[in-house]
Amino acid sequence: DSGVTQTPKHLITATGQRVTLRCSPRSGDLSVYWYQQSLDQGLQFLIHYYNGEERAKGNILERFSAQQFPDLHSELNLSSLELGDSALYFCASSVVTGSSSYNEQFFGPGTRLTVL
Amino acid sequence: AQKVTQAQTEISVVEKEDVTLDCVYETRDTTYYLFWYKQPPSGELVFLIRRNSFDEQNEISGRYSWNFQKSTSSFNFTITASQVVDSAVYFCALSDNSNSGYALNFGKGTSLLVTP
Repeated sequence: DSGVTQTPKHLITATGQRVTLRCSPRSGDLSVYWYQQSLDQGLQFLIHYYNGEERAKGNILERFSAQQFPDLHSELNLSSLELGDSALYFCASSVVTGSSSYNEQFFGPGTRLTVL
Repeated sequence: AQKVTQAQTEISVVEKEDVTLDCVYETRDTTYYLFWYKQPPSGELVFLIRRNSFDEQNEISGRYSWNFQKSTSSFNFTITASQVVDSAVYFCALSDNSNSGYALNFGKGTSLLVTP
């Protein structure tokens, strides 16, 4: 158990809908990263938040957004869903933001999103 | 730009055989970190090892060993005396201070099947 929790575990929805995925980092971790794992794209970085602020963006679609709240949990919002958004969404947490002193990222169990 | 290449898509071995998973990376940074993660059929991502660019020492942990060679930009992973429980997808990942701020850049993964 990494200490990172994600809810829900599974999500089935229809095209055009909007969903919210939730991530609670390990106690004390200030950074949250979101990744998407799909058959087409593999595992790719979406976005990084540190202590409530967006720090870096990867291959995140404009239909997707995220935020990190004062209690450090994070939510990933996916809207106008398409079939191709079906994927496993992971969040990971680490103690600090990118710096010369890198800290491991600990991954949650993932949320499997199916868009029908 | 950073890139991680895992040329082996699938490997199948018989139990007790040794197997090496290859990883080649590209980065312009002098400070970077390399990782291996395991993804068993249950889907979670399990951290195996981190290596920083200044430490080229090989590492052994039980049946696992890692060979980091900066001269060839490779970070290969060897499982000795493989077991059925080693069956999983293994990902090599690179982290550097690119525009993604130390987010993980994953290879496509190598699916390892160990049969009795």
